[in-house]
Amino acid sequence: QQQVKQSPQSLIVQKGGISIINCAYENTAFDYFPWYQQFPGKGPALLIAIRPDVSEKKEGRFTISFNKSAKQFSLHIMDSQPGDSATYFCAASIRIRENFGNEKLTFGTGTRLTIIP
Amino acid sequence: DVKVTQSSRYLVKRTGEKVFLECVQDMDHENMFWYRQDPGLGLRLIYFSYDVKMKEKGDIPEGYSVSREKKERFSLILESASTNQTSMYLCASSLWGGGEQYFGPGTRLTVT
Repeated sequence: QQQVKQSPQSLIVQKGGISIINCAYENTAFDYFPWYQQFPGKGPALLIAIRPDVSEKKEGRFTISFNKSAKQFSLHIMDSQPGDSATYFCAASIRIRENFGNEKLTFGTGTRLTIIP
Repeated sequence: DVKVTQSSRYLVKRTGEKVFLECVQDMDHENMFWYRQDPGLGLRLIYFSYDVKMKEKGDIPEGYSVSREKKERFSLILESASTNQTSMYLCASSLWGGGEQYFGPGTRLTVT
C-alpha cells in the first residue's frame, strides 16, 4: 500500500531552470511533510519540511508548496544547479500514539534529478 | 555534527546465514530506525526503537529482528538471510518527538 505517491521517477532539467517534484498522500492524519535529498553513496539528509497549517515554505532556492484540500505537496527548486543533481524523497508522518511525535515517516518512491549544463 | 555510522558499507552473505548489521549514533538520540532502500520502492521502515530495549515494528518487519541494548547502538538481525533481502540498508536516528532523521551511509547487503 503506497500511502505517499511521488512523481516523476526521473527528471532532467537544464541549469538555471525550475525543477518540480510532486507528491500526493492519502491519509489525512499526516501532519508533517519533509523532503530528503540523497547523493550517491550517502544517506538521505533533510532538505526542507512543512506542516499543514501553511501553504508554502521557502528556504533559499527550495520551496515546498502544500495543497491540503488536494492532499498534494510539491518541491520546487529554482535556478537549478548541477550540484542539485541527486535523488529526492518526499515523506509524510503521523503521530503513531498519544505519547509519540512524528517518529514514523512514510517515504515516497524517490525522484532522480539530473541538472544538465 | 550528528554522526551515524554503520559497521559495513558492503556485505556479501549466503542464503540461510545469520546476519548482523550494526549502527551507532553519537548524539544521544532517543529514536533509532532501520530502513531498506530498493529502486522504485523508496525507503521502507523495517523497525524503529524509541528507547533502550524498546522497539516498534515498521512497515516490513517480516524476516528481521532488532536489538537495542545501549542507547547509541541499534542492531538489525536477519535470522536466516534470503535472496529477497538483498538491498541497501539505512540506519537513522532522531530526537524524541520526531523531526529530522539523521542517516548513516548505508550497508549494501547481497545475499547469494
